Amino acid sequence: GAGVSQSPSNKVTEKGKDVELRCDPISGHTALYWYRQSLGQGLEFLIYFQGNSAPDKSGLPSDRFSAERTGGSVSTLTIQRTQQEDSAVYLCASSLRDRPAPQHFGDGTRLSIL
Amino acid sequence: AQTVTQSQPEMSVQEAETVTLSCTYDTSENNYYLFWYKQPPSRQMILVIRQEAYKQQNATENRFSVNFQKAAKSFSLKISDSQLGDTAMYFCAFMKGTQGGSEKLVFGKGTKLTVNP
Repeated sequence: GAGVSQSPSNKVTEKGKDVELRCDPISGHTALYWYRQSLGQGLEFLIYFQGNSAPDKSGLPSDRFSAERTGGSVSTLTIQRTQQEDSAVYLCASSLRDRPAPQHFGDGTRLSIL
Repeated sequence: AQTVTQSQPEMSVQEAETVTLSCTYDTSENNYYLFWYKQPPSRQMILVIRQEAYKQQNATENRFSVNFQKAAKSFSLKISDSQLGDTAMYFCAFMKGTQGGSEKLVFGKGTKLTVNP
């Protein structure tokens, strides 16, 4: 398909385990974003990649969270030593560099920490 | 820092009627963009409409229109002829304008809209 693809769709894991969430952006989109949506809340920005520039990590809530983007395409969000408060839907979006650049979102990964 | 406030957690409307969702924001920026996104139960965020702050004319997209009041920092969404498929969470979002292109979005907490038959 032509949209943003995220995997897995759902992930259940035990507290203390590490998890990896994957995002495959729309082909040709240079900007990639990760957001977190907790129950009943709006989306909270986590991290932003733009081309070859250093990522904007200002939204990462703790050093347990990290993300990388390999080859300017696929991105992986890693959460180490998961806590129950990490339970949320993690949404990825991508966009072109142009302004204004509407962001196209994936269906998200629902992460549940037991 | 920018903030976005949606003061209506839930709203309902009868099919075919008109409903207005409220959004206010706070920023010291002069160059920015505003968006309304729709999130149905499928979870995917869908762009509904966008507005450039430098444009005085209110944006419209078919049954969706906005009332952008820059001085009041207000950006409401009007849905005309509401349809059952409009049932969803609606999020207002702010993007700072920069020279470098796209930027992160700052979201409100959302309004849950239910369209009743």
